[in-house]
Formats: sequence, structure tokens, C-alpha cells
Amino acid sequence: GDSVTQTEGQVTVSESKSLIINCTYSATSIAYPNLFWYVRYPGEGLQLLLKVITAGQKGSSRGFEATYNKETTSFHLQKASVQESDSAVYYCALSEGGNMGYKLTFGTGTSLLVDP
Amino acid sequence: GGIITQTPKFLIGQEGQKLTLKCQQNFNHDTMYWYRQDSGKGLRLIYYSITENDLQKGDLSEGYDASREKKSSFSLTVTSAQKNEMAVFLCASRTGNTLYFGEGSRLIVV
Repeated sequence: GDSVTQTEGQVTVSESKSLIINCTYSATSIAYPNLFWYVRYPGEGLQLLLKVITAGQKGSSRGFEATYNKETTSFHLQKASVQESDSAVYYCALSEGGNMGYKLTFGTGTSLLVDP
Repeated sequence: GGIITQTPKFLIGQEGQKLTLKCQQNFNHDTMYWYRQDSGKGLRLIYYSITENDLQKGDLSEGYDASREKKSSFSLTVTSAQKNEMAVFLCASRTGNTLYFGEGSRLIVV
């Protein structure tokens, strides 16, 4: 089946430093799935951070960026300068789309702690 | 905007007990989902429903039942709670390619 791999379970970064959270994917039925980053801030529900549905494109939101790289099947999340308020758990996800339910497959999540 | 409400936030039950989690959405979305979140394992799909009275099994449906009697509500039943089932259960609904999640319900089995 489909799979999403996030290699870092926990990342600690000092405030104002750069961040990269790795994500690679494998889709079984289609070549170019839709890709997403979801985020869970402390005390809040999981919410969409950004999405890219076209291979080769870049998505951005709240200073975060992710580029859909079809050659390396990766969708790494990056930010040039993190803030303490970015501390959260980040999940990479993919969907093969389709009319029957549009299921998402999630990675295991990366917990980001930003040191003030 | 809309909201997804999950009840209860914490559900404590005994091993072997049948336990039900409820989810309500006021987005008027057609498709709803139940995911299970275990520490270090990400989110895994249990059941989803593309419309009222429809039910589709996800990857983790064994040991669970679901019900979608109204468009706005989607309930999940653990048919016989086990201690290894302690996890957070997340309900979501969808518009386009975006899912909206509730805050989760934590299941504790004693």
C-alpha cells in the first residue's frame, strides 16, 4: 500500500535557525499523488499547513515551504527562521485522490521543539 | 467557519467492554473519517463514510464498528476494548482535498 516516511521523530532547533523536516513517499496506484503537511499545535486539533497537488510545484504557508520532488519522491518541509510558536507536531501525508473517499496516508509525525 | 466536535474527550472503559466515540460536524461535508493515532505510528484509517448511511473499511477496521445515520454525525464503536487499544482517535470531514479534524478522543482501557 501507500506509505509516507518521516525519519525524525523529534527535532530541536534554536529560535531564528533554519529547519528541514524530511518526508519521502511511495504511492502504489498513481505516479503523482497529492501531498500535504498537517500540523498539530499544543492544545489544538490537527490542521492543514500546506498542500501541493502538482508534481514539481512548491507550496508555502506561514513561512514554511515544501517542494514536490517527483524524482526523489520527497516533500521536505523547510523554514528559514523558526519561531517558538512553531513548536508542534508535523505530519506529512499523501492521497491518491479519487472519488471514493479521498483517503489520506500519514507519516509517523515529527515533533518540533524550538528553543527560545 | 465550521467545527468538528468529538465526545467524549476521554473515554475510560474496562477490558472487553463495548465503547462508543461520537463525532459531529457542522460543515455540511459529505465525507467523514475516523483515524487512530498511536505514539510513534502516525495516523491510521479505521473507517470512512462518503455519505449518510455509507461505510467503508480502512486499514485498521478489525475490532471496530461505525455508524453514519446522519450526514452530520459519525460514530465509532470499539467492539471489545483491549489494553493495547489505548490511543487517540481523530474524527475528520473533508471538502475538496482538505481534511478538517476534531481535537481527538483519548481511549483508556483499565
